[in-house]
Amino acid sequence: AQSVTQLDSHVSVSEGTPVLLRCNYSSSYSPSLFWYVQHPNKGLQLLLKYTSAATLVKGINGFEAEFKKSETSFHLTKPSAHMSDAAEYFCVLNQFYFGTGTSLTVIP
Amino acid sequence: NAGVMQNPRHLVRRRGQEARLRCSPMKGHSHVYWYRQLPEEGLKFMVYLQKENIIDESGMPKERFSAEFPKEGPSILRIQQVVRGDSAAYFCASSPLGTSGRSSYNEQFFGPGTRLTVL
Repeated sequence: AQSVTQLDSHVSVSEGTPVLLRCNYSSSYSPSLFWYVQHPNKGLQLLLKYTSAATLVKGINGFEAEFKKSETSFHLTKPSAHMSDAAEYFCVLNQFYFGTGTSLTVIP
Repeated sequence: NAGVMQNPRHLVRRRGQEARLRCSPMKGHSHVYWYRQLPEEGLKFMVYLQKENIIDESGMPKERFSAEFPKEGPSILRIQQVVRGDSAAYFCASSPLGTSGRSSYNEQFFGPGTRLTVL
């Protein structure tokens, strides 16, 4: 069975502080994993993807994620939040399996 | 290079009417995917199409829903005899490369979505 769990439906951080959005997965075979961001009334934009190369993946806008097979996790991080990061974030397994999303709020 | 285009952006239908949602993939992309997003939920895969072929429709409801991607023109998602439960955001995505099985490393490029409201 394949599934994705985003552990937090809402995350709130202050501007300039670190961001951590958590994602765990279950896959019968070697997974591909993606993080997408969705701003209000917009389509989804790819932040980064893991494709069995380096386990630490760097994406756009300062985001990165680390693939940890032993923990079946692919958490998204950013050292310092910016107001423009406020959006909905989706973790995706094997292209088609979407998590329920994490809404990130950035407090000025 | 224009991105994925969807129209209409908003569509209101009464119960029993038909809804037609259109998706024009990015230039050079011949693979199209449709997803449905219900309130407070993630996107759910519906169907994967190539030009003139349905590759995977395992996420499509068995009745009232159909999809096509003709040789010329946009991909169409058609919902017949809509019901209130069909109210959702419908997203289309495209990719330049195909997908083998249900595992893929392909990046998808998403359109802005069509928000369907059924009264």
